[in-house]
Amino acid sequence: GENVEQHPSTLSVQEGDSAVIKCTYSDSASNYFPWYKQELGKRPQLIIDIRSNVGEKKDQRIAVTLNKTAKHFSLHITETQPEDSAVYFCAAYNNNDMRFGAGTRLTVKP
Amino acid sequence: KAGVTQTPRYLIKTRGQQVTLSCSPISGHRSVSWYQQTPGQGLQFLFEYFSETQRNKGNFPGRFSGRQFSNSRSEMNVSTLELGDSALYLCASSLGLTSSTDTQYFGPGTRLTVL
Repeated sequence: GENVEQHPSTLSVQEGDSAVIKCTYSDSASNYFPWYKQELGKRPQLIIDIRSNVGEKKDQRIAVTLNKTAKHFSLHITETQPEDSAVYFCAAYNNNDMRFGAGTRLTVKP
Repeated sequence: KAGVTQTPRYLIKTRGQQVTLSCSPISGHRSVSWYQQTPGQGLQFLFEYFSETQRNKGNFPGRFSGRQFSNSRSEMNVSTLELGDSALYLCASSLGLTSSTDTQYFGPGTRLTVL
């Protein structure tokens, strides 16, 4: 089955800096890669996703890149703000099976 | 559109008991997936139901089971509860398309504590 690894497990940045979180996956058939943000005590919320036929997608301060050959994808947050502080999960989806990374706790210091 | 709802939100049980959790998907969504979230193991996939049929299953023991009704609402059941079953149980709904165009939306979760 699919195996998703996520790094780093914790990330601390200064407000205004960029943050990058990386994930690798094992199943080359995976074709959909969402990113979720989970604030303390709340449900995971989809923040951006990318399909396997696209290499990069941007939405304001958030971008995701996908390298299918290397089987890795990354989340980029620019101009970080304290409200970006949360746990971020990547996931890889194949054939009705969604597998999540272990999560990255991002702290943005004001 | 109303989001995914889960009941109850909090539950306390003792070892050996059984529990049933409920999930109502977004209107029009036919797929419901269940996940267990713990600090040590992260988000782990339990199973997915589509049109009242279990379409996919994660690596959990047979004590964990589920079902889906004709209105797409889903329940999951855990029998003979163990301390390690304490977790946040999340369900997520999606249209259920078997393509890369599907997106899952999570419910608020049920926090189960086993004493």
